[in-house]
Parts: sequence; structure tokens; C-alpha cells
Amino acid sequence: EAGVAQSPRYKIIEKRQSVAFWCNPISGHATLYWYQQILGQGPKLLIQFQNNGVVDDSQLPKDRFSAERLKGVDSTLKIQPAKLEDSAVYLCASSLRQGYPGRGEQFFGPGTRLTVL
Amino acid sequence: GQQLNQSPQSMFIQEGEDVSMNCTSSSIFNTWLWYKQDPGEGPVLLIALYKAGELTSNGRLTAQFGITRKDSFLNISASIPSDVGIYFCAGLTSSGNTGKLIFGQGTTLQVKP
Repeated sequence: EAGVAQSPRYKIIEKRQSVAFWCNPISGHATLYWYQQILGQGPKLLIQFQNNGVVDDSQLPKDRFSAERLKGVDSTLKIQPAKLEDSAVYLCASSLRQGYPGRGEQFFGPGTRLTVL
Repeated sequence: GQQLNQSPQSMFIQEGEDVSMNCTSSSIFNTWLWYKQDPGEGPVLLIALYKAGELTSNGRLTAQFGITRKDSFLNISASIPSDVGIYFCAGLTSSGNTGKLIFGQGTTLQVKP
């Protein structure tokens, strides 16, 4: 079974530029998550989709970050404009269903390492 | 917001030694998960715990879901060089029909051959 796919793996941009990340979840997984992982910290949830609807975007900086999952499969996360503090690894994860009720183990992709100069 | 306190922050051990790390929180969680992250990769799920008091093993790994539902520990027995990496605990909260995963800060493990 193929895992969660992400691209690109690395991206270097200058502040105030725009950037987009792509994620393709495990086939059949209804729930998709985007996390931000700053160096030395655990992943922090940015946004959670159930099919193509947003379940939780409470920690997404909506003035500069946006995400969509139009057909309920793959997803794009965009930052516009980027700031220095956005330098981090952006992880995509998917699960069969939402975390509760039932077993909502999340499976992660390799991540995109973003450097903002 | 909810936070997980994971300790120790880092460990440097000799190959063959046993390792123990834990995670505590002021909040109750319904599920505890333990992940391992290698450099340049995403976290990989090691063990999932669903019931308070549950003790689960996966090879040389053993994890327990605390009775109070506010803590969990992970043990690695007879460590080997490939155990090197960052180990994260994560607690799953629930609100209605949704769930949110909260991660600890990670424990960096280094194993000396």
C-alpha cells in the first residue's frame, strides 16, 4: 500500500514570496491533516479535513495560510506571503476516519522542508 | 491550550541498554500514540493505546496508557543502533465527533555501538 505522498521535499524562498505544498493521502483515507513542525518541536496541527470539508482550522494563520481539498483526495497548502518564522517542515497525514469515535491512527508523509530567507 | 510534557528531552545510551521515556499531561486523553521520526522523514507510528491501563508491546517496544489517562510511557529493551531517532508521544482528544492529536516535544535517542 502506498503511503502519504508529498511534494516538493525541499523549498527555499525569500520572505514575502508565495509557496505551495501538495499532498496525496493514502487511498481511501477520508481525513487529511496538515502539520507544521518547527525544528526541535513536535508537529502542530494547522488544519484538518474530513473528505473535502474543513473540520478544524483553529490554528491556521488565515491571514497568510490557506488550504484546500477540492475533490476530497489530494490537498494543497499555500503560504502567501511567507515570513521568516514560517521556516519549518510541513507534514501531511491521513487517517481512515476522524480521531473519535473509533481508531484514528494518523499516517504521515515525509514532509516538505521550507526555508524562508 | 493542551500540552504534553515529554521526558527526558534527550538520551545517550550504550547499545544493549534499556530505555524508558514518558509523557504527562494535565488533560485527559482517549488515545495515546507513540511515533518515531528519523531525520528528513515524517513520524512513523510505533504503538497505539486505547484504554486506561492498557499495556501493549511491539517487538522490543512496550508502552502503557496510564490509569489516570493523563500519562503514558514507552520502553525500548536491548537498544540497537537503528533505534536512533526522535520519539514523540501524542495524545488524542475528542470533542463531539472530531479528534485532535497533540504532540509532545520529543525525546532524542542516541545509541553508542
